[in-house]
Amino acid sequence: DVKVTQSSRYLVKRTGEKVFLECVQDMDHENMFWYRQDPGLGLRLIYFSYDVKMKEKGDIPEGYSVSREKKERFSLILESASTNQTSMYLCASSPRWHRNYGYTFGSGTRLTVV
Amino acid sequence: QQQVKQSPQSLIVQKGGIPIINCAYENTAFDYFPWYQQFPGKGPALLIAIRPDVSEKKEGRFTISFNKSAKQFSLHIMDSQPGDSATYFCAAGKGGYKLSFGAGTTVTVRA
Repeated sequence: DVKVTQSSRYLVKRTGEKVFLECVQDMDHENMFWYRQDPGLGLRLIYFSYDVKMKEKGDIPEGYSVSREKKERFSLILESASTNQTSMYLCASSPRWHRNYGYTFGSGTRLTVV
Repeated sequence: QQQVKQSPQSLIVQKGGIPIINCAYENTAFDYFPWYQQFPGKGPALLIAIRPDVSEKKEGRFTISFNKSAKQFSLHIMDSQPGDSATYFCAAGKGGYKLSFGAGTTVTVRA
């Protein structure tokens, strides 16, 4: 069963900590995405990667960075966590081009910054 | 700013009712309009999708209506069941790789 795996289901971090959220896909997809999900705001794109070492800013990149050293792994980094980054984070992957976009989502990481 | 506006934020219906969720967009370059369904503790999963050359698409109890001139589309859940209780997201895509999502609608179907 193909899937996108997010390393942590729940995380609690302190303000100012550097936080790493990891995502691994086993579908050999070129595209990987990080979204943030908040009530009333839906899914907002943080960063997008279309190839190894390639990245593109999404709609809300401030306070975040990403790393993609291998095709199957896409990491989201909070350089200095703040309470307003408390949220559900969703990773997704898709083929380079797909008529129906072919998004597969992970189950999410709920991050709480205290 | 969100490129896809979705309403309502939540709705409650009785079993057998027809919840309707509406979405609107501005960018006429969008060429693909999917709906995703998300259950608690899970990531969103593709439910049904439509392209702008079609005005309606049905898959089982789920129907998308699409109005190209008004730049609006909607999801209808016919004969809704408690198992349909979930959060639904509309989205719009262009270029074959990137989707913009709406704010989401939490649907509760009471038995």
